[in-house]
Amino acid sequence: GQNIDQPTEMTATEGAIVQINCTYQTSGFNGLFWYQQHAGEAPTFLSYNVLDGLEEKGRFSSFLSRSKGYSYLLLKELQMKDSASYLCAVRNTDKLIFGTGTRLQVFP
Amino acid sequence: GAVVSQHPSRVICKSGTSVKIECRSLDFQATTMFWYRQFPKQSLMLMATSNEGSKATYEQGVEKDKFLINHASLTLSTLTVTSAHPEDSSFYICSARYRRGGNTIYFGEGSWLTVV
Repeated sequence: GQNIDQPTEMTATEGAIVQINCTYQTSGFNGLFWYQQHAGEAPTFLSYNVLDGLEEKGRFSSFLSRSKGYSYLLLKELQMKDSASYLCAVRNTDKLIFGTGTRLQVFP
Repeated sequence: GAVVSQHPSRVICKSGTSVKIECRSLDFQATTMFWYRQFPKQSLMLMATSNEGSKATYEQGVEKDKFLINHASLTLSTLTVTSAHPEDSSFYICSARYRRGGNTIYFGEGSWLTVV
């Protein structure tokens, strides 16, 4: 079966750092995506990992360990506008299988 | 600007009627498009994979006769919700892979369907 787990909700303070974890068990693996989604809007691409290690892109970084079936999204210098849902998605051939998403609330 | 366009963005229909949602790739040919459904406060659930020139591949539990998918050209896929019921009210999103074997996947803006 396909199983992708993320925490349901997280809260953090403006300016802080937050790490959103994602664990997965899927029948196939061709990469892992992180998307940001604001309520009522389509997801927007944040990062893509296919090899183990850390990918840094500005305030956002994403890490992947294929042997552990684990990824995390690291958000630094949090801003109020970062309040959104963050979706972890595993690519299995052509399909994207989404996790349940993590709703992040950033407080002043 | 958007590279995948969805239309309509919002639609209200009566129970028992059918409604069509279009997904267009702009400036690129998409041999494969994907349709997702998202209920409030839940994640995206893949409904089906739309393949240009052939039948769509549906995920387990998705009724193919209820959710008709047509991918008649390399830039257009349509999802028709037939005999809609209030429980079909949801956010429907399509996505398209930028090029064969590529990693870039673009999402449409999404379509809110409300069945009354």
